[in-house]
Order: sequence, then structure tokens, then C-alpha cells
Amino acid sequence: SQTIHQWPATLVQPVGSPLSLECTVEGTSNPNLYWYRQAAGRGLQLLFYSVGIGQISSEVPQNLSASRPQDRQFILSSKKLLLSDSGFYLCAWSPDRAMNTEAFFGQGTRLTVV
Amino acid sequence: GDSVTQMEGPVTLSEEAFLTINCTYTATGYPSLFWYVQYPGEGLQLLLKATKADDKGSNKGFEATYRKETTSFHLEKGSVQVSDSAVYFCALSSPKGRRALTFGSGTRLQVQP
Repeated sequence: SQTIHQWPATLVQPVGSPLSLECTVEGTSNPNLYWYRQAAGRGLQLLFYSVGIGQISSEVPQNLSASRPQDRQFILSSKKLLLSDSGFYLCAWSPDRAMNTEAFFGQGTRLTVV
Repeated sequence: GDSVTQMEGPVTLSEEAFLTINCTYTATGYPSLFWYVQYPGEGLQLLLKATKADDKGSNKGFEATYRKETTSFHLEKGSVQVSDSAVYFCALSSPKGRRALTFGSGTRLQVQP
């Protein structure tokens, strides 16, 4: 069966520090991968999605970047964090080349920038 | 573009009350529709789905029917429990849009004993 791992679960970082959040998927090949952000008490905002290694689509201009160095690994990064980067970050995957299908989510990373 | 509109919360109910959370959508083509649930501090879990008009998705006592004529996918449960307290998200996946799901803003449900 497929599983998705996301870490760390919580993170407190000072303003101006770098960020690296990692997500890996097991039990499937060439998944579509997604990063979402959820601000406190708000809905989900799609940040990035990827349909293959090295293929990243950005949904909104921001202080963050994403990379997919391996088939089942998706990394969210920042060179210098802002206070506004605080939030709950969720990684998700959906099956290869599948359209019109559900996505499966990791447990999330709560990021607090201080 | 695609969009999902949910009723605003929080929705506060007593245990064993009837639940309805409204969801309407705008999409190109014939989307699949989903309800996700998020418990405090956790990721989203798929609750139920429907892939074509008049389909009824159901799980754990929750139901939602895909209504193409009203572009709606309302979530219902006949008798809620305290353990149902969570945030519920309606979402769609369009065959002609981007691959990622489009989510509503979420509805917080609080069930009191």
C-alpha cells in the first residue's frame, strides 16, 4: 500500500533563517506531488505541484521554492523565512497521469516563524 | 476557473443532531467531487467521493450526492457524535483543469455532548 511521510511535524524558525521540509511517498511510481499551505483558521492554498522529476509548477509568487530530486521525494525550501511564512504545510500525492482523482495527504508540518 | 464554495462555520450542534454542510462548485467539464476531514493538528483524510452526476458517496455515516443540475455536493449525517468534531473541506478535481484539487475554505464542526 502507498504511504506518505512528511517531516518534521513541528518547526520553530527565526525570521531570515532557511527552511527545508521534506516529503516522501512509498508504494507507487511517478506520483503527482503537491505542497499546500494552510494559514491559521483558513483553507488550503496550493503552492507547488510536480508531475515528474525536475518538473515544478508554481501556483503563487512567494518566498518559497520546491524541488523534486527523486521520483518520490518533494522538498519545500526557503532561503530566508518571513513571518508571513508561518502556517501548516501539507504534502500530498495522487496517482501517475491520473486526472479527476483524489489526493492523499501527509500529516503536515506546523511552521512558526518568530 | 474552478472554484468551490462552502458554508462558513463554525457549525455547532448537539450530539445526535442532523448535520448538513453546504457545498457548491464551478468547474469546466465534469469534475469529481470530494469531502475531506481534518482533525486537530493532522493532515486531511478523504471522507467520501463521487465521480459522476447522481452518484452518492458515503462513509462512516456521512453522505453526499453529486447534483449536476444545482452544481452541489452537500455533506449530511443523520446523527453526529462528539468525535465528528473537525474541519470539513469540499474539493473538486477537474478533467480539464490543473491536476491539483481545488478546495473550499473549510467548515469547522463542533459537536457538544
